Amino acid sequence: AQSVSQHNHHVILSEAASLELGCNYSYGGTVNLFWYVQYPGQHLQLLLKYFSGDPLVKGIKGFEAEFIKSKFSFNLRKPSVQWSDTAEYFCDVNAQGYSTLTFGKGTMLLVSP
Amino acid sequence: DAGVTQSPTHLIKTRGQQVTLRCSPKSGHDTVSWYQQALGQGPQFIFQYYEEEERQRGNFPDRFSGHQFPNYSSELNVNALLLGDSALYLCASSSQRTGRNTGELFFGEGSRLTVL
Repeated sequence: AQSVSQHNHHVILSEAASLELGCNYSYGGTVNLFWYVQYPGQHLQLLLKYFSGDPLVKGIKGFEAEFIKSKFSFNLRKPSVQWSDTAEYFCDVNAQGYSTLTFGKGTMLLVSP
Repeated sequence: DAGVTQSPTHLIKTRGQQVTLRCSPKSGHDTVSWYQQALGQGPQFIFQYYEEEERQRGNFPDRFSGHQFPNYSSELNVNALLLGDSALYLCASSSQRTGRNTGELFFGEGSRLTVL
């Protein structure tokens, strides 16, 4: 079975600071990787995804993530955060061939103006 | 194009009671998955329905059961409620035709269940 570990439970940043949220997964086979975001009062929505190919993937709102297979990592980055990025971020893994997601525990990001 | 809709949005029950939560998938989707999100935790997979059958199940007791209807909508039933069942219950839909090998899901806003 796969599992996901997110390094930080809470992160507080000032606007314009750079962001990196760590994510590691464990699974012996091929995986698809996702970051979902949940803004206050809204439903979970897809931020970005990696299926194959270029390990550096770009998502919405200036976010990107890099898949490093040797480290089983899929860290999320953004060069300059905005107050509107305040949300909870979930790293997720899906074993290829199965349409279910395993979620990490989430990282609550608070961006102060 | 309607997204995933869930009802009710909030409900309060007492221990021992039973609850039914409902979900309509996004238009064009045929698969419904249910997740439980306890406070401070990531969503945990309960089960998935496709073609009106439970296809996969997570580590949840038999008190949790479900159903999928011919129009692809789904229900989650929880019997003999416990205090620990208090959580946000999320429904997610996908298409087996396009989503089977990707895992990409579309989520509803959830039903928040409080058990007293």
